[in-house]
Amino acid sequence: DTGVSQDPRHKITKRGQNVTFRCDPISEHNRLYWYRQTLGQGPEFLTYFQNEAQLEKSRLLSDRFSAERPKGSFSTLEIQRTEQGDSAMYLCASSTRVNTEAFFGQGTRLTVV
Amino acid sequence: AQSVAQPEDQVNVAEGNPLTVKCTYSVSGNPYLFWYVQYPNRGLQFLLKYITGDNLVKGSYGFEAEFNKSQTSFHLKKPSALVSDSALYFCAVRVTSNTGKLIFGQGTTLQVKP
Repeated sequence: DTGVSQDPRHKITKRGQNVTFRCDPISEHNRLYWYRQTLGQGPEFLTYFQNEAQLEKSRLLSDRFSAERPKGSFSTLEIQRTEQGDSAMYLCASSTRVNTEAFFGQGTRLTVV
Repeated sequence: AQSVAQPEDQVNVAEGNPLTVKCTYSVSGNPYLFWYVQYPNRGLQFLLKYITGDNLVKGSYGFEAEFNKSQTSFHLKKPSALVSDSALYFCAVRVTSNTGKLIFGQGTTLQVKP
C-alpha cells in the first residue's frame, strides 16, 4: 500500500438516494480527514478522526452526513437523502503527526441527478 | 479568522521561463504552510511545506517556495517551467489547533506553453 485509496472513484445517484464512500488511509497513519471540493474551489474541511475518534466536524457537515472510522483503520462517509448541492469531489487524506503533510486519495466524484 | 488567498486565478508562462504562483495568508500564531498540486480528476499531491527554519523551502519536481513573514506570503517558484507543470496549484495553511486540518486557497491554474 503506497497511498490513500478511495472507493468508488465516481458515483452517480438520483436525488434522495443514500450513498456511502470508503477511504483506506496509509496504514501507519492515525489521522484521517475528509474534505469536499466543488468546481473551481479549494478543498473544504468536513471532518477529522484521530484513530477511531471523530474529534471535529465542520458546520458544512449537515445532519444528512455521517462518518465513521471503526477500529481506527478505514473510514466511511455516508450521505443520506442526497441533494443536487451535494455534487462534488470528496477527498480523503491521512497523516501521522499534526505538523506533517497530509497525503490525499484520488477522491470520489459524486454527481446527484 | 485564518485564511489563505491566491490572488491569481491563472498564471501563464512559456516553457523554460521562471514561474511564480502567489499565496498570502492570515493566521494567529506561527504559520504552517503547504503547497499541493492537482492534475485533472485526481487528488492533491504534496509539493512542499514550511514549518520552521529556512525561509526558502525546496520541494518536489524542482519547486521551491519562499516564506516571508513581514509580507505574510508563501509564493511558489520554479526557475524553469515545463509543459508538464501545467496543473492546478493550491496553497494551504494549517489551522492552529491539534487537528492538523488545512484551510486551502481557491487555487491557481498554471498554464505552461511550449
